Amino acid sequence: DTEVTQTPKHLVMGMTNKKSLKCEQHMGHRAMYWYKQKAKKPPELMFVYSYEKLSINESVPSRFSPECPNSSLLNLHLHALQPEDSALYLCASSQGQGQETQYFGPGTRLLVL
Amino acid sequence: SQQGEEDPQALSIQEGENATMNCSYKTSINNLQWYRQNSGRGLVHLILIRSNEREKHSGRLRVTLDTSKKSSSLLITASRAADTASYFCATAGGSYIPTFGRGTSLIVHP
Repeated sequence: DTEVTQTPKHLVMGMTNKKSLKCEQHMGHRAMYWYKQKAKKPPELMFVYSYEKLSINESVPSRFSPECPNSSLLNLHLHALQPEDSALYLCASSQGQGQETQYFGPGTRLLVL
Repeated sequence: SQQGEEDPQALSIQEGENATMNCSYKTSINNLQWYRQNSGRGLVHLILIRSNEREKHSGRLRVTLDTSKKSSSLLITASRAADTASYFCATAGGSYIPTFGRGTSLIVHP
């Protein structure tokens, strides 16, 4: 299984809502990543988890809260988002943080109203 | 920043033609990768070239790396309509976490 799955595929939320994005991989990878991608822009790294511990936070606002419950699962909790947070949120995994190739999920397209 | 910059930003060709995209970067790297992204979807890893390599092939893809010029190129030969996508180069330094360039949008007309 070389797939990274993400749910939901689409999400519409208001600025007062709380929602969560979910990412799962069963490749035994020990590093997982969250990226944010705006239209016609490259992916921007948000968070990196290595062996279930947060190793990199790219100065992301606290309204985004990552969680890694186990080595296969990565969540991104969303609270009090702004319309400018609307984007495609991509999850990726790699064998380890020092391993080069990342495998990406299909993304969650988020719209904040 | 180690972010790569792709050139051109957009490329439109006919099926069967070759497509060449270039990537330039600013600081030393451990490796450079090329990814493809179909519209609004996740990224697919195409090829990785390490700093001590000069050329790699994978099917219809050919990647070159010139570390003296801090540049790489991706050549897609005999393009197909299905190659229509955005192509990103990603450079990685000591952390091995890729940083993506702004991408080249390729359209292949059938």
